[in-house]
Amino acid sequence: NAGVTQTPKFQVLKTGQSMTLQCAQDMNHEYMSWYRQDPGMGLRLIHYSVGAGITDQGEVPNGYNVSRSTTEDFPLRLLSAAPSQTSVYFCASGSIRSRNYGYTFGSGTRLTVV
Amino acid sequence: AQSVTQPDIHITVSEGASLELRCNYSYGATPYLFWYVQSPGQGLQLLLKYFSGDTLVQGIKGFEAEFKRSQSSFNLRKPSVHWSDAAEYFCAVGSGNAGKSTFGDGTTLTVKP
Repeated sequence: NAGVTQTPKFQVLKTGQSMTLQCAQDMNHEYMSWYRQDPGMGLRLIHYSVGAGITDQGEVPNGYNVSRSTTEDFPLRLLSAAPSQTSVYFCASGSIRSRNYGYTFGSGTRLTVV
Repeated sequence: AQSVTQPDIHITVSEGASLELRCNYSYGATPYLFWYVQSPGQGLQLLLKYFSGDTLVQGIKGFEAEFKRSQSSFNLRKPSVHWSDAAEYFCAVGSGNAGKSTFGDGTTLTVKP
């Protein structure tokens, strides 16, 4: 089925470890974004991309890196995990060309940093 | 800077009753406005959107929303709520670049039998 695929679904890291959250979409969407969701705080934008090779920072970019070498993939890298990065991470994609313009969200990655 | 306020953190309605969820936004130009729904443990699903034109927009699952520029509001409504509507609802504002949508903190809807 077409959509946004996030892996892994769950992850536990130790403080200081690094990891990459994977995100892939098969809808040829030009926009892709990473959000984190914390209780009572809605979704906050970490990084976003408007096309392959183009990325920009969102509201809370510190401690995270992204790259977009292809239209399909938009991985999020945690450089040195901290307990404050415990959260649920959502990847989303969208296209201004789509009749249903707006985000399509992945099912999320629940990350715990101990 | 763009921002979204959802004044109601939690709303409880009886099944079959009408529903209105409030959303106020701040944006410097003509906004793109969205409502999303999130069921527990799931990602967000787009309910409806407004870009321009008719200020009353229809969405999926029987929801509608009305854009009122003078009040900077985009409230979500449903005439008769079903138990399956219990979820968290998010209002969002963005530009033509959907990658920069800003979300409100969400409203949790509980439906009483």
